[in-house]
Amino acid sequence: GDSVTQMEGPVTLSEEAFLTINCTYTATGYPSLFWYVQYPGEGLQLLLKATKADDKGSNKGFEATYRKETTSFHLEKGSVQVSDSAVYFCALSDLGRGSTLGRLYFGRGTQLTVWP
Amino acid sequence: DGGITQSPKYLFRKEGQNVTLSCEQNLNHDAMYWYRQDPGQGLRLIYYSQIVNDFQKGDIAEGYSVSREKKESFPLTVTSAQKNPTAFYLCASSNTGGPSFKNIQYFGAGTRLSVL
Repeated sequence: GDSVTQMEGPVTLSEEAFLTINCTYTATGYPSLFWYVQYPGEGLQLLLKATKADDKGSNKGFEATYRKETTSFHLEKGSVQVSDSAVYFCALSDLGRGSTLGRLYFGRGTQLTVWP
Repeated sequence: DGGITQSPKYLFRKEGQNVTLSCEQNLNHDAMYWYRQDPGQGLRLIYYSQIVNDFQKGDIAEGYSVSREKKESFPLTVTSAQKNPTAFYLCASSNTGGPSFKNIQYFGAGTRLSVL
């Protein structure tokens, strides 16, 4: 079945450091891929998405490229800020692969803490 | 403003008591979801509903019940049969079908449930 494996945290970085959070997936076909972010005490917000192979999603300085050959969707940011401290979730959707719902399968989340 | 409203923000349950978490959306979405979030375990799907008067069990439905009498509302009841209810509960909604780039789940701010 569909599943997502995320790099385990926590990840602690200094401000302006480079960030990579690894995400790999298991699924048939070409699932849509997402990164969601959760700030303390809040719900999840969509950060970026990619719907086909080689697509690059980007938002707020974060990027992730859909790599079909390695079944990966790693999240990167060139220079993190204290305000980026949050939990990041990688997810895939089953929409269009035998489903009209678009159920999301989430990774376990990676806690990022950025120090000034 | 369109969005998803969850209430209450904090909820306490006594032994043997049923409690109901509210979720309302004004995004005109057909699909609604309930997730449970425990530390280090990501999000697990409890129930989902694609249309009014229809809902399906997710991965951890035991000890929970839902109803979908209106498009806007999808309340979750945590019954006394749920022996470990302490968690953060998140409600989400989305469109169904259509192109995958439109199938984004939007989340409420969550309800934190604790056992007295």
